[in-house]
Parts: sequence; C-alpha cells; structure tokens
Amino acid sequence: DSGVTQTPKHLITATGQRVTLRCSPRSGDLSVYWYQQSLDQGLQFLIQYYNGEERAKGNILERFSAQQFPDLHSELNLSSLELGDSALYFCASSVGPLAGELFFGEGSRLTVL
Amino acid sequence: AQSVTQPDIHITVSEGASLELRCNYSYGATPYLFWYVQSPGQGLQLLLKYFSGDTLVQGIKGFEAEFKRSQSSFNLRKPSVHWSDAAEYFCAVAGNAGNMLTFGGGTRLMVKP
Repeated sequence: DSGVTQTPKHLITATGQRVTLRCSPRSGDLSVYWYQQSLDQGLQFLIQYYNGEERAKGNILERFSAQQFPDLHSELNLSSLELGDSALYFCASSVGPLAGELFFGEGSRLTVL
Repeated sequence: AQSVTQPDIHITVSEGASLELRCNYSYGATPYLFWYVQSPGQGLQLLLKYFSGDTLVQGIKGFEAEFKRSQSSFNLRKPSVHWSDAAEYFCAVAGNAGNMLTFGGGTRLMVKP
C-alpha cells in the first residue's frame, strides 16, 4: 500500500461526457502528479501540483484540467470525452517539489464508450 | 528534452536464471534515474534510484542497476529471478529541474517455471 488513494477505481462513461478523478496523496506529501497510461502512448506525464500551485505541465489536453485543494487532495477533470481518452489515470505523490521517489496510487481506469 | 528507451518490449526468463533489462536515456547532464515495477492491476513501485555517487545501486527485492555515463545506460539486473518478479518494469529519468519524470515504454517480464 503506497498510501496514495485514488477514486473511482473504474469508470465507464460515454463520449462527450465529463468525469472527475480524485486523488489523496500520502500523508505529508505536498506534490501530486497525474499520469495517463495507455497501450499506444505508454505513461505520459500530465501535470504536477505542489502545495496547491501548478508546478509543471506535460502533455495535458485543453479538455483536461486539474487542481490541488488546501487539504492537498487533487482532482483531475476530463471533459468532452473521446474514445481515445480511455486509459488508466495514475496519481502519484512526493514529499517535495522535485520528482524524486514518487508513490503511485492504483489508478483509475476510464472507459469511454 | 529528456527521453528514455527500453529496447525490449517483452522478455521471458526461466525461474532461477539471471535477468538484465536494458534502459538507455537521453539527457544533456547527469540525470536522476529510476526503475519502477508495475504488477498487474497495481500502481508503480520504486525499485531503485540513482542520483549521484556510486554507479552501482542496490534496490528492493534483490534488484540492482548500474549507471554507465559513457553508454547513457542504466540497466537493471537480478542474479536469480523468482516467479513473483513477473511484472512490467519501467525505467525513468528526471532532469535537474526534477519536476517531470519521463518513463520508458516498459519491458514486460514473464517467468517460466
């Protein structure tokens, strides 16, 4: 158990819909990272937050957004969903702002039909 | 830009045999290097990391990796593989900005009895 909690574990929705994925980092960790894992793209870094502020941005689509709340949990919002957004979305956390050892949650599997 | 290549998509070894998983990185300076393991249905777990110092690093579960600057490699090794090592292994690199961890495409390890 990494200490990182992600909900929901599985989500099935239709194209055009909007979903929210939630992540609670390990106790004491201030950084939260979001990654997308798909068969064709592998593990892609989406975005990082550190202590409530956006710290780094990767290959995140404009249809996607994220935020980190004062209690340090984070949410990833995916809108206008397309079939190609079907993937496993991982949240990871670390103590500081630099990507040293990341602790990963078990992921949220999104299926868009 | 930093990148990671794992040349072997699949590797099958017999239980008890030795293992070497290859990883080549591209980065202009000394990188931070990592190996993570992902068991089916699980998130990623850190096996070991290299930041500086001794180029041979020891990790959990009996794994080790050697940083070779001249070859831009960070290969993962284990002297005797156990059936429970069957999983997907990811090499990753973080530049000195440290914000973004870039993952390779992964190597899926299968272990024959």
